[in-house]
Amino acid sequence: DGGITQSPKYLFRKEGQNVTLSCEQNLNHDAMYWYRQDPGQGLRLIYYSQIVNDFQKGDIAEGYSVSREKKESFPLTVTSAQKNPTAFYLCASSLGHGPYEQYFGPGTRLTVT
Amino acid sequence: GESVGLHLPTLSVQEGDNSIINCAYSNSASDYFIWYKQESGKGPQFIIDIRSNMDKRQGQRVTVLLNKTVKHLSLQIAATQPGDSAVYFCAENLSSNDYKLSFGAGTTVTVRA
Repeated sequence: DGGITQSPKYLFRKEGQNVTLSCEQNLNHDAMYWYRQDPGQGLRLIYYSQIVNDFQKGDIAEGYSVSREKKESFPLTVTSAQKNPTAFYLCASSLGHGPYEQYFGPGTRLTVT
Repeated sequence: GESVGLHLPTLSVQEGDNSIINCAYSNSASDYFIWYKQESGKGPQFIIDIRSNMDKRQGQRVTVLLNKTVKHLSLQIAATQPGDSAVYFCAENLSSNDYKLSFGAGTTVTVRA
């Protein structure tokens, strides 16, 4: 089956620790995205990548970092500099050259205490 | 700030009735719009999309209407079912040169039996 996988589904960390969220896709999509979703709110873009070895900051990139070494993978690191990291994190991918439908993974719920 | 928003954060619908979910957008240059459905604890799922050169598009039990004059987008769900209970997001692509989507805050639809 083609799709996007995120792991783990739930993640717990202590404050001050960095944590990396995994995102893998086998859709052969060029573009990949990371979003943050807080309760009762929409999706806010953290980082996106339109091609391997290139990525751009989204609206709320502070305290996060990414890499795009492979087309299939776009891991997100939540650093200790992120002041309020507890949230639901969603990864998505798209063809990158239109149409612009983004396909989403199941999400990772991160809780930092 | 967000350029896409929804008129109502919640909508309660009787099973079997038609649902109408509204979305206002502010960027007259947006050329692509999309509706997603998100069930609790899951990633958003594609429902239907529409390009700015169209006024209406129909899918299975869903219709999207685009009124560019007043910058308004709506999703109509026919014969609403309990499985339609979810949060619905509209999103827009702000520029044909940009692959990003801008999401609204979402409307929570609850179907009454």
